[in-house]
Amino acid sequence: EAGVAQSPRYKIIEKRQSVAFWCNPISGHATLYWYQQILGQGPKLLIQFQNNGVVDDSQLPKDRFSAERLKGVDSTLKIQPAKLEDSAVYLCASSLIIGAGANYGYTFGSGTRLTVV
Amino acid sequence: ILNVEQSPQSLHVQEGDSTNFTCSFPSSNFYALHWYRWETAKSPEALFVMTLNGDEKKKGRISATLNTKEGYSYLYIKGSQPEDSATYLCASIDSSSTGKLIFGQGTTLQVKP
Repeated sequence: EAGVAQSPRYKIIEKRQSVAFWCNPISGHATLYWYQQILGQGPKLLIQFQNNGVVDDSQLPKDRFSAERLKGVDSTLKIQPAKLEDSAVYLCASSLIIGAGANYGYTFGSGTRLTVV
Repeated sequence: ILNVEQSPQSLHVQEGDSTNFTCSFPSSNFYALHWYRWETAKSPEALFVMTLNGDEKKKGRISATLNTKEGYSYLYIKGSQPEDSATYLCASIDSSSTGKLIFGQGTTLQVKP
């Protein structure tokens, strides 16, 4: 099966600019996750969708970050305006359903590496 | 929020050496533990999903054990090869959560030929 697709692979922007990332999960996977991985740290969940509804966005900095999954398939994550500390790898992952984590690993995309200068 | 810790942070070994890493996680409300291998410029790849206390899983030269009562898991690599060089991430799922993975900071392994 096709994997989780993410684009772009790399992005360099200046602080205060805006940027958007795109993710297309595995076909049929209802649950989609966006993770932020800052150098030297483990990935941190930003937002979790179940179909087109938000399940958990408790760690999303909502003053500058937004995400949507309008048709319950692909998703976009936006940062506006970007800060230097947003430099990180942004990973998208999908799973069949909530609770699938007891049986299956999640499928990750290869990530978008963002550098804010 | 769960606190998942991994050690060591990095490891350099010679080809043929065996090595192991530790992942510790809160034992209360435990649901599942995942191990992922993340090679540079690639996607994190699931290695193991473990749920039961005493679980042992094996894939080729890599194996993992799980102790849910004391909250730790070990990952072992027997006879390390240069292609094993990667960051190894463990992640825990809390039974009271929505299935989200809480990751440790990872162990970066470098295997020298």
